[in-house]
Amino acid sequence: DAGVIQSPRHEVTEMGQEVTLRCKPISGHNSLFWYRQTMMRGLELLIYFNNNVPIDDSGMPEDRFSAKMPNASFSTLKIQPSEPRDSAVYFCASSPTGAANEKLFFGSGTQLSVL
Amino acid sequence: GENVEQHPSTLSVQEGDSAVIKCTYSDSASNYFPWYKQELGKRPQLIIDIRSNVGEKKDQRIAVTLNKTAKHFSLHITETQPEDSAVYFCAASRGYQKVTFGTGTKLQVIP
Repeated sequence: DAGVIQSPRHEVTEMGQEVTLRCKPISGHNSLFWYRQTMMRGLELLIYFNNNVPIDDSGMPEDRFSAKMPNASFSTLKIQPSEPRDSAVYFCASSPTGAANEKLFFGSGTQLSVL
Repeated sequence: GENVEQHPSTLSVQEGDSAVIKCTYSDSASNYFPWYKQELGKRPQLIIDIRSNVGEKKDQRIAVTLNKTAKHFSLHITETQPEDSAVYFCAASRGYQKVTFGTGTKLQVIP
């Protein structure tokens, strides 16, 4: 298995532009998570899905952020419009059954820079 | 919600010495405490975890201890090696999937 796949690895954009980050979870995993990592705040959970349904989006910073999971093998995190303070590494992670207390499998992350 | 505090933020040790990283959590209902290691430019990866019905767990040079009464848990690395240099994150979760991470400890092992 190739693991959790994220694209792009790096994204540089200008303030005000729309940014779309993509994630393919490990095949067969039922839960998917989006995290944001910054030096100041560490790893913050933005949203997680179970069986393609958003369960908790309380970590989404504001309405500029939205996430979708149209099927079991694909999820997107969209920022529109982007701002410099959105610059961070965005990680997607998945876990097998969605049961509590499971290991998270992280993707390689997307380094986002908003100028 | 859960709040996880982690200390120290940076830690330098000589190769062969031990390293200890400490975390506290706020939600007494939390029952699962994983530790992730993130090497520079890489993804976080689980290195060890402990559940609330256990006080200590060991895996070779790595051990984790949990004090539920005090709501704190610690990572112990013995006989440190240069390849242990990384950022270590503690985390806590309670009964469902939401995992709250600490802010990380950057460990540097000096050869």
